[in-house]
Amino acid sequence: GAGVSQSPRYKVTKRGQDVALRCDPISGHVSLYWYRQALGQGPEFLTYFNYEAQQDKSGLPNDRFSAERPEGSISTLTIQRTEQRDSAMYRCASSPPLRQGSSEQYFGPGTRLTVT
Amino acid sequence: DAKTTQPPSMDCAEGRAANLPCNHSTISGNEYVYWYRQIHSQGPQYIIHGLKNNETNEMASLIITEDRKSSTLILPHATLRDTAVYYCIVRPFNKFYFGSGTKLNVKP
Repeated sequence: GAGVSQSPRYKVTKRGQDVALRCDPISGHVSLYWYRQALGQGPEFLTYFNYEAQQDKSGLPNDRFSAERPEGSISTLTIQRTEQRDSAMYRCASSPPLRQGSSEQYFGPGTRLTVT
Repeated sequence: DAKTTQPPSMDCAEGRAANLPCNHSTISGNEYVYWYRQIHSQGPQYIIHGLKNNETNEMASLIITEDRKSSTLILPHATLRDTAVYYCIVRPFNKFYFGSGTKLNVKP
């Protein structure tokens, strides 16, 4: 079946502009996660949702970053007033309901954000 | 959250078994050990996970020590396509902390 999709795949924006990154999870997946990955490093947790509820946003760097998942499916990560340090790969993942306390995450291809 | 320690890189000859170690000495009783890998710029790919018993699937085997303070991912017959960064993650409920992983270089 279809995997996790993200759009756009590449985004170049000027410093100070707002950007919205979209994630479409695997159908039926309850949880959705956002990560940021700098070159040569592992993914860094940003936030996650169970259904439409944002369960943890402790990884969001500052209040310019926000995320929503209003209907429990598609999610949008918004970065306001972008800065050059926001340039990175932004990855989304989804996971099915827990089975015996565990479930694996499936990752999308990512959105490469470049702030000039 | 429990943290993990992995060697930054390892080499393996093609066709031989690759054994990737991971230390997680502060793991809690309800935390699972997960392994993912990332090839080039692709998204991380799930490999295997376990709680306390050894696990095996079509991709790999996971050996967890009895005290659960360390584990080893085994790729039984490594191929060039297994060259990737391998992440060992100890996961409480719904958070993943990836760390820097181990870069596995499979050589012909």
